Amino acid sequence: AQSVTQLGSHVSVSEGALVLLRCNYSSSVPPYLFWYVQYPNQGLQLLLKYTSAATLVKGINGFEAEFKKSETSFHLTKPSAHMSDAAEYFCAVSDSTGNQFYFGTGTSLTVIP
Amino acid sequence: ETGVTQSPTHLIKTRGQQVTLRCSSQSGHNTVSWYQQALGQGPQFIFQYYREEENGRGNFPPRFSGLQFPNYSSELNVNALELDDSALYLCASSLGSRTQETQYFGPGTRLLVL
Repeated sequence: AQSVTQLGSHVSVSEGALVLLRCNYSSSVPPYLFWYVQYPNQGLQLLLKYTSAATLVKGINGFEAEFKKSETSFHLTKPSAHMSDAAEYFCAVSDSTGNQFYFGTGTSLTVIP
Repeated sequence: ETGVTQSPTHLIKTRGQQVTLRCSSQSGHNTVSWYQQALGQGPQFIFQYYREEENGRGNFPPRFSGLQFPNYSSELNVNALELDDSALYLCASSLGSRTQETQYFGPGTRLLVL
């Protein structure tokens, strides 16, 4: 079965600083990888997804993630944090052989003014 | 274009009861997936419906069941409610059943089982 591990359940950054949220996956075949954001009392919104095209994926709101097969990682970054980025972020994985979708446990991002 | 909607927004039930949650897909989407998100956890995949047929299932017991209607709206039914069923239930729709398709999530139904 697929799984994802998000290192760090809470991350705090200063406004304007680099955002780095970590995600590692376990997969024996090339997976599809996703980052979602969840604002309080709302559903999830897709930030970006990797589907075996370019390894550097650009998403919405200035976020991007790089697929590194050798490290089985798909870390999410943003060069400069904004107050509006404060939210819960989830990494997710699916495989091409089934109809299963696995989320990580999430990372809560706090942006300090 | 109408987004994914869910009803009700909140629900309180007692242990042993049954509950039905509803989801309306985004216009044009033929696939609906349901997730359970316990407090402080990531969403867990319950099942997916594609063109009215169950198309994939996570590690949930049979008392979790679903339906998809010809208009692609969907219901999640949970029988014999347990305290641990208290969670946010999320519905997501997509165009196509492949898991790499972008899923659009509704705001969720928060269920409390007492």
